[in-house]
Amino acid sequence: GENVEQHPSTLSVQEGDSAVIKCTYSDSASNYFPWYKQELGKRPQLIIDIRSNVGEKKDQRIAVTLNKTAKHFSLHITETQPEDSAVYFCAANGGANNLFFGTGTRLTVIP
Amino acid sequence: NAGVTQTPKFRVLKTGQSMTLLCAQDMNHEYMYWYRQDPGMGLRLIHYSVGEGTTAKGEVPDGYNVSRLKKQNFLLGLESAAPSQTSVYFCASSLTGAQHGSPLHFGNGTRLTVT
Repeated sequence: GENVEQHPSTLSVQEGDSAVIKCTYSDSASNYFPWYKQELGKRPQLIIDIRSNVGEKKDQRIAVTLNKTAKHFSLHITETQPEDSAVYFCAANGGANNLFFGTGTRLTVIP
Repeated sequence: NAGVTQTPKFRVLKTGQSMTLLCAQDMNHEYMYWYRQDPGMGLRLIHYSVGEGTTAKGEVPDGYNVSRLKKQNFLLGLESAAPSQTSVYFCASSLTGAQHGSPLHFGNGTRLTVT
């Protein structure tokens, strides 16, 4: 099955700075790459996703980039705010209808 | 529209006991999934279903069974609980599956402790 690696495992940034989280995947058949945000004690919630026919997608302060050749994709958060503090998970589908998740990045935004 | 509902929210079992976790969705989604979440390991797929009456194994299926007798419900069973099954369990559903760019919608989770 698909193997998704995520880095870093923890990330601290000052409020207003940018945060970048990177993921790599192993299966070239993957064609769907969502990002989920999970606040403490809550469910994972989709924040942005990208399909393999698109190289970049933006939604206000968040963006995702995809490099199919290198098999990696990244989440970019600009102008970070304290409410961005959470655990972020990347995922890839391995060409199937399931999702394989990375191990998560705990982002802390320091006011 | 409640989305994905899981019951119970918390449960404590003794080794060897059995239990069933219930997941219900009211979005008419075809696909349903059971994941477990452990510290430092992300979300791992246990079993999934691509439609009513179907089930399939995921990454970590051993020790679990599932059933999808109705489209809106997906049950996860533990026949003989073990301490290694202590985890937070999340159910999710998807309209047409990840291959078609359909995101997963998660329930609130069930925290299970096996002593």
